[in-house]
Amino acid sequence: AQSVTQLGSHVSVSEGALVLLRCNYSSSVPPYLFWYVQYPNQGLQLLLKYTSAATLVKGINGFEAEFKKSETSFHLTKPSAHMSDAAEYFCAVFNKLVFGAGTILRVKS
Amino acid sequence: DAMVIQNPRYQVTQFGKPVTLSCSQTLNHNVMYWYQQKSSQAPKLLFHYYDKDFNNEADTPDNFQSRRPNTSFCFLDIRSPGLGDAAMYLCATSRENLEPQHFGDGTRLSIL
Repeated sequence: AQSVTQLGSHVSVSEGALVLLRCNYSSSVPPYLFWYVQYPNQGLQLLLKYTSAATLVKGINGFEAEFKKSETSFHLTKPSAHMSDAAEYFCAVFNKLVFGAGTILRVKS
Repeated sequence: DAMVIQNPRYQVTQFGKPVTLSCSQTLNHNVMYWYQQKSSQAPKLLFHYYDKDFNNEADTPDNFQSRRPNTSFCFLDIRSPGLGDAAMYLCATSRENLEPQHFGDGTRLSIL
């Protein structure tokens, strides 16, 4: 069975500060991993994906994530938070898309 | 622009009154998915179609049905909505299994 755990249901950072959203996965097979972002009253938008190629994956809006097999982690980072990054972020593992519980990112001015 | 479109964005129905939610796609993707997302929760997969093959999740209530008359359209039918079915319903597509999913903006369903 596959599952993901997102540490921290709410994360608050100041504008310009580093964003770090944590995701740990459990999978009996090499995983496909995704990060999605959801703005209020909208669907989910793909930020980036890991599909067993490069372990450091760059996505849209300046986000990136690093796959660490030894730590079963796929944490999402962005060097400098922008107000427009405030949203809910979901980590997900495939082959049947299983989402983590989500992390709400708040960006303070 | 190719996209996934859900209609309506907001739907209100009465307790026990059947309701149908609609999803269309211009991506020509093989796979279409329906998710239920309750407030402050992650989306939960209800079922998906690979082409015309229907795949129901084991814990999806019988009250939920789906139809895919052609590649472009997929419908979610709730036969007798209960108060617990109030949620955001998300449609998504992917070209193939294991490929990233493209989501519509969702339909928020309220039950009176």
